[in-house]
Amino acid sequence: AQSVTQPDARVTVSEGASLQLRCKYSYSGTPYLFWYVQYPRQGLQLLLKYYSGDPVVQGVNGFEAEFSKSNSSFHLRKASVHWSDSAVYFCVLSAENAYKVIFGKGTHLHVLP
Amino acid sequence: EAAVTQSPRNKVAVTGGKVTLSCNQTNNHNNMYWYRQDTGHGLRLIHYSYGAGSTEKGDIPDGYKASRPSQENFSLILELATPSQTSVYFCASGGTGGEQYFGPGTRLTVL
Repeated sequence: AQSVTQPDARVTVSEGASLQLRCKYSYSGTPYLFWYVQYPRQGLQLLLKYYSGDPVVQGVNGFEAEFSKSNSSFHLRKASVHWSDSAVYFCVLSAENAYKVIFGKGTHLHVLP
Repeated sequence: EAAVTQSPRNKVAVTGGKVTLSCNQTNNHNNMYWYRQDTGHGLRLIHYSYGAGSTEKGDIPDGYKASRPSQENFSLILELATPSQTSVYFCASGGTGGEQYFGPGTRLTVL
C-alpha cells in the first residue's frame, strides 16, 4: 500500500538556522514526489517536485529536497530559514499516471525571529 | 493571476440546507479535485474528475455530490448539510504527473 509519513508534526528553529523536514514514503513502483507549503488561511502551493534523474531537486525560495530510493525518503532542506517560512509543509506521493495522490499529515514549521 | 479560484470564500449554512461550492480553473488541466481539511485529519479527498462530464468518488464521498459540466468548472454539492461538514474545502486541478494546483479554499460553517 502507498503511504507517506512525516514523522515530525511540529518543528521549531531559529531564524538563520538550517532546516530539514523529513518525509518517508512507501511505494513499490517509481514514485513521483512533491513538497507543498501552506501559509495560514491559504491554499497549498507547490514548492518542488521530483520525477526522475538528479536526486536533488531545487524549489522556490531556496528550498531543495533529496530523493533516496534506498531509504524511501524525500527530505526537504533549506540552508537558512526566514521567519516568513513559518507554515505547514506537506510531502505528497503520486504514482505515474495516477489520478490520486497521497498526502502526508504535514509538519508545522515555526521560525523564531 | 490566480489559476484556480473558488467561490464563495466563506459560507454559513443551516443544517438540512443545500450548499454548492464552485471551482474554476484556467490551467486547462483534465483532472480536478475536491478536498476537505480538518485539524488532525490533514487533507482528505472527497470527489475528483478526469474530464468534463466525469466524477469519481474519493476517500470520503458520503454526503457529497460533484458536478463537472466543463473543463474549467467543478462543483461540490451538499444536498443536506450537517454540522459534521463544517470544514475548509479546497479545490485543485492537475495533470497526469500528480502535480496539483490549489485554490484559496472555502470556509464552510454549518449551524
